[in-house]
Parts: sequence; structure tokens; C-alpha cells
Amino acid sequence: DAGVTQSPTHLIKTRGQQVTLRCSPKSGHDTVSWYQQALGQGPQFIFQYYEEEERQRGNFPDRFSGHQFPNYSSELNVNALLLGDSALYLCASSLVQGDEKLFFGSGTQLSVL
Amino acid sequence: AQSVTQLDSQVPVFEEAPVELRCNYSSSVSVYLFWYVQYPNQGLQLLLKYLSGSTLVESINGFEAEFNKSQTSFHLRKPSVHISDTAEYFCAVSDDYKLSFGAGTTVTVRA
Repeated sequence: DAGVTQSPTHLIKTRGQQVTLRCSPKSGHDTVSWYQQALGQGPQFIFQYYEEEERQRGNFPDRFSGHQFPNYSSELNVNALLLGDSALYLCASSLVQGDEKLFFGSGTQLSVL
Repeated sequence: AQSVTQLDSQVPVFEEAPVELRCNYSSSVSVYLFWYVQYPNQGLQLLLKYLSGSTLVESINGFEAEFNKSQTSFHLRKPSVHISDTAEYFCAVSDDYKLSFGAGTTVTVRA
């Protein structure tokens, strides 16, 4: 059983560009959450998707948006990239919304130059 | 909103020595508490969690954590560490369907 898979593993962009990160949840999971982990910091919650809708959102600007597909996979989009967006982006899935047990992917390392 | 403070950013320790990682949380309501471990170039793995019941929780690889409501703490301990325990450890609190993480503690085990 594959766990949470994320693609790509690494990405290099320049300021002002747009990026899309992808996540496939663990089999049977229907809720996907995205976290940003800057260097030397703990993960920060971006938003959560359940039933193809954004249900919770952290303190991130509208440049960060997402989508969940009918097969529960998810995308994170970031527009107008800033240097400060450089971070490890982690996707986590859970069985149902509110389930405290999250399974994390290995992340996408985004570097903005 | 809930928050977590990890009091030590780096903890060097010799192999087979004990280790304690300190975590304090702020909350006025019942909480769920977690410790996650992150090995180099990997995602987060759940180490152990406190939801309710016994205040002492254990993991399968020898770690344990004790929930102390009066001190709002959830410290992680292991009586004897291995080289393979070298990793970053994150304390987290459940906060309305999401997790709020501390800044992490880097544990480096030396022979």
C-alpha cells in the first residue's frame, strides 16, 4: 500500500513565477492537508481539503491556492513566487476530516531564486 | 489558537545515554498532543500521541512521553539512544482539525 506520494521532489523557480505541487493521499484517505516547512522551523498549516472543498485555512495569502480532485488527490498552487516561499512543502492525508492521525509525504523542496 | 514551544533547538547526546526533549503547549481546552520524527530528506512520521487516558504514552522504539496538564507539558524521553535516533523531533498540538507544530529539536547521537 503506497503511502502519501508527492511530486515533484525538488523544484527550482524564479521570483514571480507560478508553481503547482501534487499530492496523492494514502489509499482510503479522503482528507488532504498542506503544510509549509521553512528551513529550521516546524511545519505551518496552509489549508485542508475535504470533499473537494477548502475546509480550513491557515495564515497564508491568497497567492496560495489549492484543489482536490474526485479521486482525493490534491494540488497546491502558488502564484507570484517570492524568495520567502522557498521551503519544504508537505502533504498529509487522514481517513476522515478531524482525524488526528496524519500521514505525511516526503515533501517537495521548492527553491525560489 | 493553540501553540507549542520546544525548549531545546539542539540536543547532542552520546550513544546509550538518556535523552529528554522538552515541549510545552498553551491551551485552555482539552488537547491532543503528538511527537513526530523527521529523518533527513524524509517526511514526518508519527512517534506517539496522547489523546486521553493514561498520561504516559509509549512508542514501539523505546520513546515515551508524559502528559502533564498542570505544567502544560508533554516531554519526550528515551532511556538509551542509538545512532539511528539522530533526527529532528517535532512536538505538535491538535488545533481544530489541524496541527500546530513547535520549531523542532535536532537530536544528534554520537558514538
